[in-house]
Amino acid sequence: GAGVSQSPSNKVTEKGKDVELRCDPISGHTALYWYRQSLGQGLEFLIYFQGNSAPDKSGLPSDRFSAERTGGSVSTLTIQRTQQEDSAVYLCASSLAKVTSGRSGPYNEQFFGPGTRLTVL
Amino acid sequence: GNSVTQMEGPVTLSEEAFLTINCTYTATGYPSLFWYVQYPGEGLQLLLKATKADDKGSNKGFEATYRKETTSFHLEKGSVQVSDSAVYFCALVMFSGGYNKLIFGAGTRLAVHP
Repeated sequence: GAGVSQSPSNKVTEKGKDVELRCDPISGHTALYWYRQSLGQGLEFLIYFQGNSAPDKSGLPSDRFSAERTGGSVSTLTIQRTQQEDSAVYLCASSLAKVTSGRSGPYNEQFFGPGTRLTVL
Repeated sequence: GNSVTQMEGPVTLSEEAFLTINCTYTATGYPSLFWYVQYPGEGLQLLLKATKADDKGSNKGFEATYRKETTSFHLEKGSVQVSDSAVYFCALVMFSGGYNKLIFGAGTRLAVHP
């Protein structure tokens, strides 16, 4: 079946503009994650959704960043008043239902999309 | 806190050379350990994993052993190919609040030349 898709694949914007990044998870995956891959910074966790709710938003770097998920499916990451330091690749991942047992928990593999490369001029 | 440290790249090798990419971690509890690979122009893919001490993960000729005593999970391959050129990420998973939270290292770029 289809994997995780993200759009747009590339986005160039001017400083101060708002941008929206979209993620379509694998059908049936109730967990959805956003990560940011900055040059030289590796991958950092931004936010986790279980269904439409976001129990962990701890990775969002500032209040300019927000995300929502509707219908337990598509998610949108919005960055308001973009800054040059927001330039990065934004990755989305999805996985099966949340883990409910185990000391380390059975691992529900996260499947990643190809990412959206955001460039803020 | 929980973190992953991996060797900086880029790593440049000739085809058929031996590969080691070092990875160490800091974690409370009992993390599972992973190597992800990102081929040029593609999304991140799970390469291999190990869920407890002394486990060896393997896939596509790559291996890594979960060493609790040294808190390490080094990636190795005996004979690399040009097609192995990619960025490799070491990661750990902590079971936190009912879900698996991935924590990644900075990534190591591997370039293999014929």
